[in-house]
Amino acid sequence: AQTVTQSQPEMSVQEAETVTLSCTYDTSENNYYLFWYKQPPSRQMILVIRQEAYKQQNATENRFSVNFQKAAKSFSLKISDSQLGDTAMYFCAFMRSTSGTYKYIFGTGTRLKVLA
Amino acid sequence: KAGVTQTPRYLIKTRGQQVTLSCSPISGHRSVSWYQQTPGQGLQFLFEYFSETQRNKGNFPGRFSGRQFSNSRSEMNVSTLELGDSALYLCASSSDPGGWGEQFFGPGTRLTVL
Repeated sequence: AQTVTQSQPEMSVQEAETVTLSCTYDTSENNYYLFWYKQPPSRQMILVIRQEAYKQQNATENRFSVNFQKAAKSFSLKISDSQLGDTAMYFCAFMRSTSGTYKYIFGTGTRLKVLA
Repeated sequence: KAGVTQTPRYLIKTRGQQVTLSCSPISGHRSVSWYQQTPGQGLQFLFEYFSETQRNKGNFPGRFSGRQFSNSRSEMNVSTLELGDSALYLCASSSDPGGWGEQFFGPGTRLTVL
């Protein structure tokens, strides 16, 4: 069974600095997708960034980038130039698609607080 | 496009009662998934519906059930409520997930069981 582990329940970072959130997963699949979702306080969860397992190049979306280490089954999120609006719960998620069906598995989340 | 909507936003029930939650996906999305979110447990997958058929199911007891209508709207039902069912229930919709599988989440329904 696939599992997703986020070992940092809470983190904080000073505004304008860089922070890295860690995520490890366990799977025997070779083709899958990985995601980071952000859930701001009292707001809807939104997708931050995604990575296809067959792509070696790390995904980047503006200030957000990932360090995808397939062999190590690690998928960390780096937030550069942190902003107050980045304060949120961040969830790492694994998705596999098989024969038209798919399943998402989420980690338990990391609560990030950006300090002014 | 309107986002995913969920009703009601808040519910208070007592043990033993049953509850029905509703989710309207983004127009054109045929896949709807339900999750239970509790502190410390993260998001636990309940089930997924696609074109009125349940395609995937998580490890929840039979008290949790769902259905999807022809317009892709989905309902989730929990019977014989227990205190441990208190949680935020999230609905997410997706277009035919042939590839990326990005999910768009609703604001959730916060259920409190007394």
